[in-house]
Amino acid sequence: GENVEQHPSTLSVQEGDSAVIKCTYSDSASNYFPWYKQELGKGPQLIIDIRSNVGEKKDQRIAVTLNKTAKHFSLHITETQPEDSAVYFCAGAGYSTLTFGKGTMLLVSP
Amino acid sequence: DVKVTQSSRYLVKRTGEKVFLECVQDMDHENMFWYRQDPGLGLRLIYFSYDVKMKEKGDIPEGYSVSREKKERFSLILESASTNQTSMYLCASSFQNSNQPQHFGDGTRLSIL
Repeated sequence: GENVEQHPSTLSVQEGDSAVIKCTYSDSASNYFPWYKQELGKGPQLIIDIRSNVGEKKDQRIAVTLNKTAKHFSLHITETQPEDSAVYFCAGAGYSTLTFGKGTMLLVSP
Repeated sequence: DVKVTQSSRYLVKRTGEKVFLECVQDMDHENMFWYRQDPGLGLRLIYFSYDVKMKEKGDIPEGYSVSREKKERFSLILESASTNQTSMYLCASSFQNSNQPQHFGDGTRLSIL
């Protein structure tokens, strides 16, 4: 089955800096890669996703890149703000389900 | 907006009890999922269902069962609760295709004493 590795497990940045979270996947048949943000006391919320026919996707300060050859994808957050502090999960779509990475705790200091 | 509602935010039960966690979605999604979330382990899939009365095992089904009698409702059952089932439980739903986003509830924090 699919295996998704996520790095780093924690990331601390200063407000205004950029943050990058990286994930690798094992199943070359995977074709859908969502990213979720989980704030304290809440369930994960989808923030951006990318399908395998696209190499990059942007939504305001958030972007995701996908390298199918290398089987890795990354989340980029620019101009970070304290409200970006949360746990972020990447995932890859296998045959019928999503496989999640173990999460990255992002801390943005004012 | 999609709404996935889990019946309890916090639940405390005793070892050996039969425990029911309920989840309801309002978007007519075919797929529903149950995950548990533990520190350092991420989200692990327990069971999922792609249609009424259908169920499939996920990665960690031992000690759990599920029920889906109506399309909008998916129940997770701990047949005989044990302390190692203390965890955060998350329900999610999605449209049928695997490359559709899953929408999550806010979770049930279950403690087994």
